[in-house]
Amino acid sequence: QKEVEQNSGPLSVPEGAIASLNCTYSDRVSQSFFWYRQYSGKSPELIMSIYSNGDKEDGRFTAQLNKASQYVSLLIRDSQPSDSATYLCAVKGPSTTAGAGSYQLTFGKGTKLSVIP
Amino acid sequence: GAVVSQHPSWVICKSGTSVKIECRSLDFQATTMFWYRQFPKQSLMLMATSNEGSKATYEQGVEKDKFLINHASLTLSTLTVTSAHPEDSSFYICSARVPQGDGYTFGSGTRLTVV
Repeated sequence: QKEVEQNSGPLSVPEGAIASLNCTYSDRVSQSFFWYRQYSGKSPELIMSIYSNGDKEDGRFTAQLNKASQYVSLLIRDSQPSDSATYLCAVKGPSTTAGAGSYQLTFGKGTKLSVIP
Repeated sequence: GAVVSQHPSWVICKSGTSVKIECRSLDFQATTMFWYRQFPKQSLMLMATSNEGSKATYEQGVEKDKFLINHASLTLSTLTVTSAHPEDSSFYICSARVPQGDGYTFGSGTRLTVV
């Protein structure tokens, strides 16, 4: 069974600090990796996607991928109170039910981030 | 671009009744729609994958006769919760792959409360 593990938190950081979120996954054939932000009562919104080993930067966000260690992380620089949300790590891999050539996302339980003003 | 519109946003129904949730892709054609369920403080759990014009495939443990999925066109997929019970109360979210790139877009979700 595919698993995506995240520390549930809560993770509290002061405003302006760097928030570091981590994720590990079990399926070595996973191809694509995503970080979503979810505010309470809302659906997830895509923050970053990463496909190859190394770092990928987009504004205040940096995603890091290490396929050998099956590890994905998200760094948020200059954290703002508006960044307070649950961050979901999602891993794309072959579907377990929909047949050959089909893919699905498996989500972690999410890490709740609180940025303290 | 790549917007999925989901309705209703919330619904309260009596136990034993059925509820239909609609997801429409507004500016692209979604050949595949994913349906998720999220309980409080839990992650999104994939319920089923629907493909336009064919039967949906359900994840293990999801009752196909209870959660009816129809994907009759490239822009509309529906989930009907039949004979709803209080334990079906949850946040239901649909998702489709965006036409460009490798990402997925989500509907706004439906909060279902069964009383």
